[in-house]
Amino acid sequence: KAGVTQTPRYLIKTRGQQVTLSCSPISGHRSVSWYQQTPGQGLQFLFEYFSETQRNKGNFPGRFSGRQFSNSRSEMNVSTLELGDSALYLCASSLGPLPSETQYFGPGTRLLVL
Amino acid sequence: EDQVTQSPEALRLQEGESSSLNCSYTVSGLRGLFWYRQDPGKGPEFLFTLYSAGEEKEKERLKATLTKKESFLHITAPKPEDSATYLCAVRGGATNKLIFGTGTLLAVQP
Repeated sequence: KAGVTQTPRYLIKTRGQQVTLSCSPISGHRSVSWYQQTPGQGLQFLFEYFSETQRNKGNFPGRFSGRQFSNSRSEMNVSTLELGDSALYLCASSLGPLPSETQYFGPGTRLLVL
Repeated sequence: EDQVTQSPEALRLQEGESSSLNCSYTVSGLRGLFWYRQDPGKGPEFLFTLYSAGEEKEKERLKATLTKKESFLHITAPKPEDSATYLCAVRGGATNKLIFGTGTLLAVQP
């Protein structure tokens, strides 16, 4: 079974631009979560989607947004990029929305903001 | 506040030298404790899920255990290919968000 896929794998943007990252979950998984990973802050939760509805949200500014489609694929968008948004953005999928379910991670999208 | 603390931050072992990594947590109503392994530039790779105190799980040279306050990841006779960052995460509390520790960077020298 194919794992979680994320596109693009690498991205370079300049301050003020916006970016959209894509995530395809494991087949049959309906829950998708997004995380930001930086050397200073580690892995931090951005948001979680199930059945096209945002179920949970982390402590990030409104510039960070996401959505989920009917086929469970998800996108996240960052508007008005700042230098501090440079990070590895990770997507994870699980079968359903239960907190006890294991999340499986994709390879990530490395975003560099210049 | 829900919190996860991992220790040590870094650990260097000789090949074959067994050791343990610690993950202590404060969360009310634990719904699951998760161990992941992360190689540089890659996404975390799932290792174990533990749900209740006393539970143990094993996979090759790794064994994870859980108490009411902490979890241990025991590495028996490690090999250089076990070198990676090991991440612990918990889910529960009021928000049910998956909260990660900062990880233990393990280096196994041949």
